[in-house]
Amino acid sequence: EVQLLESGGGLVQRGGSLRLSCAASGFTFSTYAMTWVRQAPGKGLEWVSSIRGGGAIAYYADSLKGRFIISRDNSKNMLSLEMNNLRAEDTAVYYCAKVRDTGGYYEYDSWGQGILVTVSS
Amino acid sequence: QSALTQPASVSGSPGQSITIPCTGTSNDVGTYNLVSWYQQHPGKAPKLIIYQVTKWPSGVSTRFSGSKSGNTASLTISGLQAEDEADYYCSSAESGTQILFGGGTKLTVL
Repeated sequence: EVQLLESGGGLVQRGGSLRLSCAASGFTFSTYAMTWVRQAPGKGLEWVSSIRGGGAIAYYADSLKGRFIISRDNSKNMLSLEMNNLRAEDTAVYYCAKVRDTGGYYEYDSWGQGILVTVSS
Repeated sequence: QSALTQPASVSGSPGQSITIPCTGTSNDVGTYNLVSWYQQHPGKAPKLIIYQVTKWPSGVSTRFSGSKSGNTASLTISGLQAEDEADYYCSSAESGTQILFGGGTKLTVL
């Protein structure tokens, strides 16, 4: 059974940094791309970033403008998201998600429970 | 890039069928057969119910079906059940490397 467990969320001041982690189990982690999706309170889903299985290729939402960095440690089955220069609009529940197949990064068939990041002004 | 367009809400009675449209552009929905649909119950993580426009992940009810015409993809739920009441989101690959989501549609089962 695929399990994804996010950690590292919490309250941070505007302009600060935070690092989210996602511990994965139940599948061959290095074979699949992984993704972060966020959801602001009462709002819809927003794709944040994806990273290929090998970790060398990553994709980001244009709106992030280089503030976020996605990475992975395949030896530890761990996905991370480093978030810098945080803004009030980054306040959201952040979901870690597994990409459905080994070839792309377009659909997500397993999700973590989500973790809340709150940016205070 | 702009989010895909979905109606804010739809409703239907048990046993009926409903359709949720998802409108994009020729840069996303119109070009790529990479439209997915997600169901999200309150306080829960999203669940993939349709991928690549028409395909079902393992274990998903075939009461959910997807289609596409031009720049608009659609999710149809047949034989509505109370447990179908949830938020539904479409997504699509976009030219370049972006993934777009729709704004979400709240389904109410009357």
